[in-house]
Order: sequence, then C-alpha cells, then structure tokens
Amino acid sequence: GAVVSQHPSWVICKSGTSVKIECRSLDFQATTMFWYRQFPKQSLMLMATSNEGSKATYEQGVEKDKFLINHASLTLSTLTVTSAHPEDSSFYICSVPLAGGTDTQYFGPGTRLTVL
Amino acid sequence: QKEVEQNSGPLSVPEGAIASLNCTYSDRGSQSFFWYRQYSGKSPELIMSIYSNGDKEDGRFTAQLNKASQYVSLLIRDSQPSDSATYLCAVRRGSSNTGKLIFGQGTTLQVKP
Repeated sequence: GAVVSQHPSWVICKSGTSVKIECRSLDFQATTMFWYRQFPKQSLMLMATSNEGSKATYEQGVEKDKFLINHASLTLSTLTVTSAHPEDSSFYICSVPLAGGTDTQYFGPGTRLTVL
Repeated sequence: QKEVEQNSGPLSVPEGAIASLNCTYSDRGSQSFFWYRQYSGKSPELIMSIYSNGDKEDGRFTAQLNKASQYVSLLIRDSQPSDSATYLCAVRRGSSNTGKLIFGQGTTLQVKP
C-alpha cells in the first residue's frame, strides 16, 4: 500500500519558536494533501487542504498566518507552526488521497508537538 | 449540531462478542462514509468504506449505511482484545476522492478477555 511519512515524529520546542512539519508521499504523487490536528481524547479536526502549486485552503477558525502550509512538490507538503504557544501542543497528522478512482486516503504517522 | 456524531463510550464488550458502533451525520448530500481505527498515540487506519445503502462485509467487520436515516454503523464480530481502540466515523464532503473528510469524535471500544 501507499506510504506517507511525517517528520519529525515528535518535537518539543519553546514558546515563541516556529516548528516545521513535513509530510511526504513516498509512493505516488499527490496534488492535494490534508492537515489535521488532534487534541487529547478528541477527534481529528481538519485544519487545511494543501494544494500543489497554489495556496492552501484553510478551514474556518484556523489562522492561515500562524499555520503556514507549503505544497512545494507533488510529494511534499510542509506545515509550519509559527510563534508556537502551549495551546498549539497537539498531534498533527497529514493525509494523502490516492487519486485514480479509489477512495482511499492514507494517513501519515503523525507528529506530536509539545510547546513548553 | 455536529456534522458527524458518535457516542464517545467507552463501549465495553467481552471477547468473542459483537461490538456495535454507531454514527449519525447531518449533511444529507454526503455520499461516502468511512470507518477508521485509531490506537492510542497512532494515526488512523482505514477499516471500511461504504457508499450504498445496506451492508458491506469484510472479514469480521460489517458496515451498515442508511442514508434516509443518515446513519452508519460498524459491527465487529468475534471481538478480540486487539480490537480495543478508538473507532472514528468519517464522512466525505463532495463526490471526488480529494474531498474533505469530516470525523466524528470517535467511540472507544474495550474488549475484555
């Protein structure tokens, strides 16, 4: 099956710093990737849709200037949490839909962000 | 009203029993429905997808969809302790594969040996 990787798998940073999370599609090209956030004991909340070659589409309530998304190539999307604060501590997960008539979305393993 | 609603549980069943997980959704135009399993600290993995009214079986898992009632369920037969996890119901907005998935809050299943 298709493989999606995320890097780093976990990160601890100080308040005020920026953190970049990478999502890579290892087996296939993806013009679209999704970024989710999951707080403890809560469900996945869609943050934004990453579009290769164009601007990301953000869900209501998600600050686009705080969560910068860059879909640099057909296999890589990055999420940068700028000026991170403790309330940004969460589990960030990307997903990649497999095109070509199937309905499968493959999730990356997630990145655990802890902001001190 | 949340777009996708699930009972958070926990749902506790004995090993070997049938576990029944339920989900309702608000957008009557939704066409694609999914069940994901998520172990603690891990990302979700797809178990089942269903698009048409009725039942869809895959091994010990059966997904049931009733669009008129806006209801989708997942049955797990012969439950095993390894099935203990959080089960997420997801509904896709739009008809294309690149449409957004909206998740319910998940139901925690505990299968006791």
